[in-house]
Amino acid sequence: SAVISQKPSRDICQRGTSLTIQCQVDSQVTMMFWYRQQPGQSLTLIATANQGSEATYESGFVIDKFPISRPNLTFSTLTVSNMSPEDSSIYLCSVDGAVNEQFFGPGTRLTVL
Amino acid sequence: AQSVSQHNHHVILSEAASLELGCNYSYGGTVNLFWYVQYPGQHLQLLLKYFSGDPLVKGIKGFEAEFIKSKFSFNLRKPSVQWSDTAEYFCAVNAEKNDMRFGAGTRLTVKP
Repeated sequence: SAVISQKPSRDICQRGTSLTIQCQVDSQVTMMFWYRQQPGQSLTLIATANQGSEATYESGFVIDKFPISRPNLTFSTLTVSNMSPEDSSIYLCSVDGAVNEQFFGPGTRLTVL
Repeated sequence: AQSVSQHNHHVILSEAASLELGCNYSYGGTVNLFWYVQYPGQHLQLLLKYFSGDPLVKGIKGFEAEFIKSKFSFNLRKPSVQWSDTAEYFCAVNAEKNDMRFGAGTRLTVKP
């Protein structure tokens, strides 16, 4: 299994600002994923990030709001832009394993005031 | 796209009680099935997975799950729960590579 770290672990932000979340993996991986887990709800996939190509976004998520970078095989960032209180959530990155399982990072707890 | 249903939102049990958490999915083809657990304050961890072979799979900490294809189900079981099993449990289905869908989750509270 992969070891995944995320920065920051939590943040409190003002409305209208942006936050960039970093995800670092201890091994090279093909696919990285970004999820959102809103309070009391399950995980919702935001986008899939491949190294060297544009991220693929799920329905309801757009690049202008959630730009993603994937500069190499061990690192990705997700930016939450022009934040509003509705963006308060836990943001998780994950990577694919050998048999279609996914391994998750510890998450970034974001509160938008 | 596939969807996943978890029947129980919150389950409360006493220690040593038996546990069964329901999970149904909607997809007619080949699926990979997972149960993830999220202990309080911790990140998601893979509890067990099924992708082929014996439909009864065993995971960590005494958990097991049975894949019943005819019922599109993958229920999680444990014969005797412990207080430390208090957590949120998520069923997930991956029908196409890298398209994992999660159920809404079941919160398990085990009373000592």
